[in-house]
Amino acid sequence: EDQVTQSPEALRLQEGESSSLNCSYTVSGLRGLFWYRQDPGKGPEFLFTLYSAGEEKEKERLKATLTKKESFLHITAPKPEDSATYLCAVQSEAGGYQKVTFGTGTKLQVIP
Amino acid sequence: GAGVSQTPSNKVTEKGKYVELRCDPISGHTALYWYRQSLGQGPEFLIYFQGTGAADDSGLPNDRFFAVRPEGSVSTLKIQRTERGDSAVYLCASSLPDLAGGYNEQFFGPGTRLTVL
Repeated sequence: EDQVTQSPEALRLQEGESSSLNCSYTVSGLRGLFWYRQDPGKGPEFLFTLYSAGEEKEKERLKATLTKKESFLHITAPKPEDSATYLCAVQSEAGGYQKVTFGTGTKLQVIP
Repeated sequence: GAGVSQTPSNKVTEKGKYVELRCDPISGHTALYWYRQSLGQGPEFLIYFQGTGAADDSGLPNDRFFAVRPEGSVSTLKIQRTERGDSAVYLCASSLPDLAGGYNEQFFGPGTRLTVL
């Protein structure tokens, strides 16, 4: 069974204080790893898809990286509007093509 | 509207009652998914439709849960004999199909918050 573990559960940063969120995964053949952002009372918003170890993707202050066992979401010089819960999810070759397993998320708070 | 819409936004019901939750996907998105999200947890996969058929319903917790998509657009998640443990936010997402079995970005709706008293 696919497993996704995210750490820390919660993170509080000062504006401009860079940090990283971790996503560790166990899958039977990784088809893809995804990062989503979720604001309170809203559905998740897609950020990135990573397919193979060594791959990196960037969007504004966010950069996602992937190894064979984990993914990191690096946040550079965060702003208060980056406050949200960040979800990691995986899709495995053993599962149905479209079945995705989510982690429990990291709740990020950026203080002005 | 350009996004996925879900109705109602909130539903309060009594234990044992029947409820229906509606999802209206983005026009042209043939793939549709239902998830359940409990407080402090990530979304939990329930069912995936490709067109009108349920391609993967392995996430439905038991036979009290059923979903339909009769015309390949709007979908309804139906829960019979609701239990207090069914209380959660029910999320719907849609995407373009990837017939090669890959992954297309899923666009999520705002969810329906179901409370079973």
